[in-house]
Amino acid sequence: DAKTTQPNSMESNEEEPVHLPCNHSTISGTDYIHWYRQLPSQGPEYVIHGLTSNVNNRMASLAIAEDRKSSTLILHRATLRDAAVYYCIRVAQGGSEKLVFGKGTKLTVNP
Amino acid sequence: EAQVTQNPRYLITVTGKKLTVTCSQNMNHEYMSWYRQDPGLGLRQIYYSMNVEVTDKGDVPEGYKVSRKEKRNFPLILESPSPNQTSLYFCASSYGGGRPNNEQFFGPGTRLTVL
Repeated sequence: DAKTTQPNSMESNEEEPVHLPCNHSTISGTDYIHWYRQLPSQGPEYVIHGLTSNVNNRMASLAIAEDRKSSTLILHRATLRDAAVYYCIRVAQGGSEKLVFGKGTKLTVNP
Repeated sequence: EAQVTQNPRYLITVTGKKLTVTCSQNMNHEYMSWYRQDPGLGLRQIYYSMNVEVTDKGDVPEGYKVSRKEKRNFPLILESPSPNQTSLYFCASSYGGGRPNNEQFFGPGTRLTVL
C-alpha cells in the first residue's frame, strides 16, 4: 500500500514549469514526503524530501500543503532529460527505511 | 564518485542454477536493501540490512538470500532460481539509523532472466 495517490501521467513542454501533485491524506505527523524519479532504463534517483516547510534544491522545489495532506513537486523549467516516472513516497519515522513505491506519474516532456 | 554498483547488469540463466548478484557502495552507508521491479507491480523490497551482520526480510523475500559480512557489500543470492524470479533488480543504500529524511542511492539495476 503506497498510501499516496498520483496521476498516472502528465505532459509538459520543454522549458515550461511542471507541477506534479501527490495526495497523502492519511499522513501521520512524523512522516516525511520524498520524491524519487526513474529515468528510462535507470535506477530510481532521489529528487527532494520535506516534512512541513517548502523545500528547494538544485533539481526541484517541493511545496507541502499546510495540512500536509498533499504536496506538489515543481520542476521550474522542464527539459527533455526530465522525462521520467516520478514517485511520491511517505517515509515513516523509526522504520526500516523501506520505500514503498506506487505507480508514480509518468512525465512526458515535449520539445 | 559516490555510487552503488551492481554486477552483472544482465544475466540469463536456467532454472535451478545458483547465482549471486553483487552490490557494492562506496559511501560508508549502514543501510542497504534490494528491490525487484516488475511490470504492473512496481518496485518491491526483497531484503534489507541495517548494518553489518544485520539483515531482515522485506515484502517479497521468498526464494532469495542475502548476507552482510562487510559494510560495503550486500550480495543477493538465488539458490535455485525459478522463472518467476525473472525481473529487474535494484540495490539501494543510505546512511541508515532509521532516519526518515535519509536519501537513498540506487544502483543501475540487474536484468535477470530465468529460463
